[in-house]
Amino acid sequence: EADIYQTPRYLVIGTGKKITLECSQTMGHDKMYWYQQDPGMELHLIHYSYGVNSTEKGDLSSESTVSRIRTEHFPLTLESARPSHTSQYLCASSELGGTNEKLFFGSGTQLSVL
Amino acid sequence: AQKITQTQPGMFVQEKEAVTLDCTYDTSDPSYGLFWYKQPSSGEMIFLIYQGSYDQQNATEGRYSLNFQKARKSANLVISASQLGDSAMYFCAMRPISSGSARQLTFGSGTQLTVLP
Repeated sequence: EADIYQTPRYLVIGTGKKITLECSQTMGHDKMYWYQQDPGMELHLIHYSYGVNSTEKGDLSSESTVSRIRTEHFPLTLESARPSHTSQYLCASSELGGTNEKLFFGSGTQLSVL
Repeated sequence: AQKITQTQPGMFVQEKEAVTLDCTYDTSDPSYGLFWYKQPSSGEMIFLIYQGSYDQQNATEGRYSLNFQKARKSANLVISASQLGDSAMYFCAMRPISSGSARQLTFGSGTQLTVLP
């Protein structure tokens, strides 16, 4: 069972609001990731981090930002939410190295922007 | 560039029967890893099985096995003795081993499996 937690599970907000999606893991993993997933579609990487103070943008352009001040915490922030941001956001972590490096995922945050 | 294709948007299987979920891939990397993840309605993605392109034998993990056919670039997931709890979305994914990072993981669009009682 993975020890990676996301809050909130569901979030419905109005346009223009600032939001932060929380992600924490207790496994001591250095690598953490944020994926965006539309219903019935594949996952797209939007941010990743290889450790504290290390963050990079993923393949899918996103207006969100992330920070990694502590190993266990990798929050995602939207300064001004829009309806186009409506999606599911999945956080994941993995250990460094290994050819069969697997991801551990949180339960996701379903974001709806009205 | 990598591409994963899952051609079955939805599949049905009778409880206790076996089912095969298709996955084909395209990559120019000589070495790569193939993964299957399960996503129940609760939302989290759960790792099921891994196959390295250099592995001589097909991977197995309990009721899950991976039918790896390198020449056909396919990595089908076989679930034996289906259970009601197997009803979920299943994603095939791959990454080049040379990159050494899960950051390069590419996912397919998924197959929704429904197990019928």
